[in-house]
Amino acid sequence: GAGVSQSPSNKVTEKGKDVELRCDPISGHTALYWYRQSLGQGLEFLIYFQGNSAPDKSGLPSDRFSAERTGGSVSTLTIQRTQQEDSAVYLCASSSGQGVWGYTFGSGTRLTVV
Amino acid sequence: QQQVKQSPQSLIVQKGGIPIINCAYENTAFDYFPWYQQFPGKGPALLIAIRPDVSEKKEGRFTISFNKSAKQFSLHIMDSQPGDSATYFCAASKFSGAGSYQLTFGKGTKLSVIP
Repeated sequence: GAGVSQSPSNKVTEKGKDVELRCDPISGHTALYWYRQSLGQGLEFLIYFQGNSAPDKSGLPSDRFSAERTGGSVSTLTIQRTQQEDSAVYLCASSSGQGVWGYTFGSGTRLTVV
Repeated sequence: QQQVKQSPQSLIVQKGGIPIINCAYENTAFDYFPWYQQFPGKGPALLIAIRPDVSEKKEGRFTISFNKSAKQFSLHIMDSQPGDSATYFCAASKFSGAGSYQLTFGKGTKLSVIP
């Protein structure tokens, strides 16, 4: 596609439910990142995928958060047993090579936990 | 521990003014300093970036000034326009031990340019 596509754009879920957020990176981009943007805060790194290498999960805030990337393309971020503090905008970015050059962000998924 | 500190949190200027947004960092391992512009409902978009071996970079009306010894960098917007009203984030990148380049972001500055 022309850009990074994220779905859904908005998600409202009840506390305790599981949610899945999807990211379609730019075709051919080997690097994929997930960030979380909370109200009034900067972007917080969550996880990084590069090609077939093991992902860098160092930013995941708890074991309720997980992500996978199938076939080196689409990625899914899963939050289990959602909590109100998980409410935020979840942003995905991809780039064509290793590193942050040429980062392109999607428009994000706004998650609201009620 | 916040590794990139950004100020001010919000900024209001008249059209034609020169808003200045400042950032400071602590980690000397950072090797790339981009600025992102974000409009409501959109993801951040790269605006301009600088490496620490350069003291200034200009792209159109946007200028980054970089002071390596003070570990500070700033964004200047010349002849600001109402269309520049957005949230601006500074960021810093370094290679992490886990094998990835991560961006560390400031908390953002909400800029409003009044006609």
